[in-house]
Amino acid sequence: RKEVEQDPGPFNVPEGATVAFNCTYSNSASQSFFWYRQDCRKEPKLLMSVYSSGNEDGRFTAQLNRASQYISLLIRDSKLSDSATYLCVVIHSSASKIIFGSGTRLSIRP
Amino acid sequence: DAGVTQSPTHLIKTRGQQVTLRCSPISGHKSVSWYQQVLGQGPQFIFQYYEKEERGRGNFPDRFSARQFPNYSSELNVNALLLGDSALYLCASSPIEQGSNQPQHFGDGTRLSIL
Repeated sequence: RKEVEQDPGPFNVPEGATVAFNCTYSNSASQSFFWYRQDCRKEPKLLMSVYSSGNEDGRFTAQLNRASQYISLLIRDSKLSDSATYLCVVIHSSASKIIFGSGTRLSIRP
Repeated sequence: DAGVTQSPTHLIKTRGQQVTLRCSPISGHKSVSWYQQVLGQGPQFIFQYYEKEERGRGNFPDRFSARQFPNYSSELNVNALLLGDSALYLCASSPIEQGSNQPQHFGDGTRLSIL
C-alpha cells in the first residue's frame, strides 16, 4: 500500500460545479500537509497548506482529518483555469520524508 | 527576486553515462530538496539538504548522490544512467528544514531523456 494515496481521476466537471478530492496517508506520525497544483509540463505550485482547523482561500477549502488520516480539497464555483493536476503532500515529523501523492487530474469543461 | 532556478532545462544522455543537474534556491532559503517525476506520477523524493548536510533520503539507489554548497546551491549527480532514469528532475527550496508548516517552492525542472 502506498504511503499517500489519491484518486487519479480524471474528474471531468462543468464550469461552476463544486468538486472535492481526498488524499489518504498511512503514517500517523505525519506532521505537515499541503496541496499543490501542477499544470501540464510545469512545476508544482503551492496551492495551500492544510491545518486541522481547516482553512479557506477564496473558492478553495482544505481540511485535515487526523483521526481518519486524510486531507481534502474542495473547489467551489470551478473555473476553466482550475483544470490541472492536484497533488497532496505529506511530511513526516522526522522531517526526513516528504511524500507526494500521485495526483488527481481535474478537467473543467465549459 | 528570482525563484528557484535549475539548469539545464533539457538534457539528453545515453545509457551508462553520468549527469549533473544544478539548482539555485531562492535567496535566503537554506534547504534544497530534489525530486524525480515520471509521467503520470507525483514527484518522488530523492534528497533533502539543509545547511550543507543531507537531512533526508528517499528510496533511490546509490547511483544518485547530491551535495549542497556554501551558497546553498545544490547539485544532483546520477551515475550509470538507465533508461528508467528518464524523468523530470525537480528542485525545491524552503527557508528552513522541512518538518514545520513551511512549504517548498519548485524550480521549472530539468527534463532528462536517456537514449
